[in-house]
Amino acid sequence: ILNVEQSPQSLHVQEGDSTNFTCSFPSSNFYALHWYRWETAKSPEALFVMTLNGDEKKKGRISATLNTKEGYSYLYIKGSQPEDSATYLCASNNYGQNFVFGPGTRLSVLP
Amino acid sequence: DGGITQSPKYLFRKEGQNVTLSCEQNLNHDAMYWYRQDPGQGLRLIYYSQIVNDFQKGDIAEGYSVSREKKESFPLTVTSAQKNPTAFYLCASSIQTVSNQPQHFGDGTRLSIL
Repeated sequence: ILNVEQSPQSLHVQEGDSTNFTCSFPSSNFYALHWYRWETAKSPEALFVMTLNGDEKKKGRISATLNTKEGYSYLYIKGSQPEDSATYLCASNNYGQNFVFGPGTRLSVLP
Repeated sequence: DGGITQSPKYLFRKEGQNVTLSCEQNLNHDAMYWYRQDPGQGLRLIYYSQIVNDFQKGDIAEGYSVSREKKESFPLTVTSAQKNPTAFYLCASSIQTVSNQPQHFGDGTRLSIL
């Protein structure tokens, strides 16, 4: 069973601050790394899917990078807003394995 | 609109009772999944199905059963053998189990013991 880890477990930032989280995953037989945002009382929403080493994806104020050789991905949020408050999940998809989710990083953005 | 529908949203189980959670998708996805979330923990895989009439155990399958008789439907039964069923259950689907396309999730079912 793959072990996917995320840090920090939770995070409080002030509105306007920029922040980032880490997802680490085993790099062997790697296929894709997924990021999801999960707001309270809603279903998880896909943010990014990345497959290539060095990939960078951006969606508005949120961006992500991928390092498949060392097995980590960073998610960045620039100028955090209260509506960014959510749990951010990463999931590793490896050949021979299903999606394995990390425990998530819970972000609270204080107005 | 295409998506995944889970029902019911809330479910209560009596001791010794089996209950079934419904999951339907109209995304034409081959793969479907059931996850369980407990407070402070991530999503843990219960069962998954790569194709109709096929399913495999995930990491925490004991006390659960599934069927995949139709591509659109992947119901989960929580049996009386599951001693700690209180949790939030999420159903998901994807084009395939190894894919560069994301999983799509339902809104979840919260199961509680009476």
